[in-house]
Amino acid sequence: GAVVSQHPSWVICKSGTSVKIECRSLDFQATTMFWYRQFPKQSLMLMATSNEGSKATYEQGVEKDKFLINHASLTLSTLTVTSAHPEDSSFYICSARDQGLAGGTYNEQFFGPGTRLTVL
Amino acid sequence: SQKIEQNSEALNIQEGKTATLTCNYTNYSPAYLQWYRQDPGRGPVFLLLIRENEKEKRKERLKVTFDTTLKQSLFHITASQPADSATYLCALDIGGGKLIFGQGTELSVKP
Repeated sequence: GAVVSQHPSWVICKSGTSVKIECRSLDFQATTMFWYRQFPKQSLMLMATSNEGSKATYEQGVEKDKFLINHASLTLSTLTVTSAHPEDSSFYICSARDQGLAGGTYNEQFFGPGTRLTVL
Repeated sequence: SQKIEQNSEALNIQEGKTATLTCNYTNYSPAYLQWYRQDPGRGPVFLLLIRENEKEKRKERLKVTFDTTLKQSLFHITASQPADSATYLCALDIGGGKLIFGQGTELSVKP
């Protein structure tokens, strides 16, 4: 199947700093990528949809000024957590939908390995 | 709003037995439903997708059923192995590829 990578795999930062997380589709192009957040023992919650060449769309309750998303190319989306606070500590996961260029069913999504963010 | 519930948070079974996980949903008529596996500290891995016009789908030791009348999907792992121990998530596409997930069932297969 197609591969999605994330960088970094984990990050520890001080409260008030900003952190950037990268999501890359390695062997296929993705016009749309998705960002999820997962707290311990909970399921994945969709944060936003990242659209290549246009603004991201955010789910209700997600602050767009705090979670900046940029999708500058067909293989890269970035999520920047601005002015991070301890309550932002979580597991951030991206996914990309195979548009058919790398095989697989159209609706199949491929998830990255996740980024563990810890804000002190 | 759409709600997805998986029958239990944890399921313990003996190696060789069949594990059955349940996913129920409300307030939606999805065109298809997906099942994922997630290991600790890792992202979900796609397992199976079943469409609304499919009653059953199989892949090796995995079987998924989809009852749109009951709004329920069952996920079976036959001849379970300790390596099958993981959290299993069901997910619905609510449009445009956006997925909403159940809370997951943590399966533990004992040798």
